Amino acid sequence: SQQGEEDPQALSIQEGENATMNCSYKTSINNLQWYRQNSGRGLVHLILIRSNEREKHSGRLRVTLDTSKKSSSLLITASRAADTASYFCATSPPDDYKLSFGAGTTVTVRA
Amino acid sequence: DGGITQSPKYLFRKEGQNVTLSCEQNLNHDAMYWYRQDPGQGLRLIYYSQIVNDFQKGDIAEGYSVSREKKESFPLTVTSAQKNPTAFYLCASSVRTGGTSYEQYFGPGTRLTVT
Repeated sequence: SQQGEEDPQALSIQEGENATMNCSYKTSINNLQWYRQNSGRGLVHLILIRSNEREKHSGRLRVTLDTSKKSSSLLITASRAADTASYFCATSPPDDYKLSFGAGTTVTVRA
Repeated sequence: DGGITQSPKYLFRKEGQNVTLSCEQNLNHDAMYWYRQDPGQGLRLIYYSQIVNDFQKGDIAEGYSVSREKKESFPLTVTSAQKNPTAFYLCASSVRTGGTSYEQYFGPGTRLTVT
């Protein structure tokens, strides 16, 4: 079942701007992960944040997690054309290693 | 060159035929997964396997079958019983976890079209 829901469904920004997308989920989680998918390709893991963490950074990516609101956000700073892709959040409940993926946010970065 | 390979990239079949999608990994991962992705949607779990000779049904296993005879290989058969088989199929693997999830590594996918 798809537990995570991303918002917005689609996002169009100018190169150099920041892109923010959100993920909400329904049940308790062990961790939350973000993946990127370029059109017609496999997914690439971006970042994993554990349930006891509130914020994590990786290069131009910043992820926050608010377990009280059951939500997470992914911020891409100083976007580039190469950031054009779909972004998915995935969650796993405690004591389980399977992931449930949301429907994704499609980001288009205009040159 | 480590990673996951899926073949073929595109596959075309006639309705009523079974078809097997290949997935091989050389990452020495214990766990492997098969997902289905339909246009504009997220991934749905078909089958997963923690160790050789063991696998479990995911959320949408009906009409699919798998085997795990070798650690490196996890082929998926789409049977004629699958009502809407046309989709993008993704294979993934991860370190065996024993109760927590780690990042999954994905193959490039196989796009199956059944007419």
